[in-house]
Amino acid sequence: ELKVEQNPLFLSMQEGKNYTIYCNYSTTSDRLYWYRQDPGKSLESLFVLLSNGAVKQEGRLMASLDTKARLSTLHITAAVHDLSATYFCAVLRSGTYKYIFGTGTRLKVLA
Amino acid sequence: NAGVTQTPKFRVLKTGQSMTLLCAQDMNHEYMYWYRQDPGMGLRLIHYSVGEGTTAKGEVPDGYNVSRLKKQNFLLGLESAAPSQTSVYFCASIASMSSTDTQYFGPGTRLTVL
Repeated sequence: ELKVEQNPLFLSMQEGKNYTIYCNYSTTSDRLYWYRQDPGKSLESLFVLLSNGAVKQEGRLMASLDTKARLSTLHITAAVHDLSATYFCAVLRSGTYKYIFGTGTRLKVLA
Repeated sequence: NAGVTQTPKFRVLKTGQSMTLLCAQDMNHEYMYWYRQDPGMGLRLIHYSVGEGTTAKGEVPDGYNVSRLKKQNFLLGLESAAPSQTSVYFCASIASMSSTDTQYFGPGTRLTVL
């Protein structure tokens, strides 16, 4: 059974600080996604990571993928309040059309 | 383009009642998905479709049925609602399984079953 685990589940951080969210998955996957969800809103795509060593950056967010370790990280640099949201990783199960989501990391950036 | 739309946005049902949630996309996407989101559990895949006229079970399909008679619409049915089906339901679509494509999500339907 494919499991996708994120940690931490909750993260409260000060503005200007750096932190990393981790996403582990239990079996092989063709690709990994990161999404953002604001409270009461829908999900917005952030990154698609396709291969081992892939790194993508958008503003203060940088995502990376290590397929050998089955680990993806979402690094936040110099956090600002606007980054407060819930972040989800998701994997596409190999050989299927099924996406499996992690439990999410609720990020709160304090001024 | 409206993207992915969902109808209704909110609904309250009594146990045993039935209802249908409608998902519509105007992007000519091939694949469509229904998820439910519960606190602390992320999104769980209910059913999905890989093209018009096709449906398949996801991870938590029990108690739900789906149909995709038209490419742009994906319907999720609850035949006899139960309190355990209280959740937020999201529909998503994706153009293809190309490596660069990503899912587009609808705004969600908040369903309460009393």
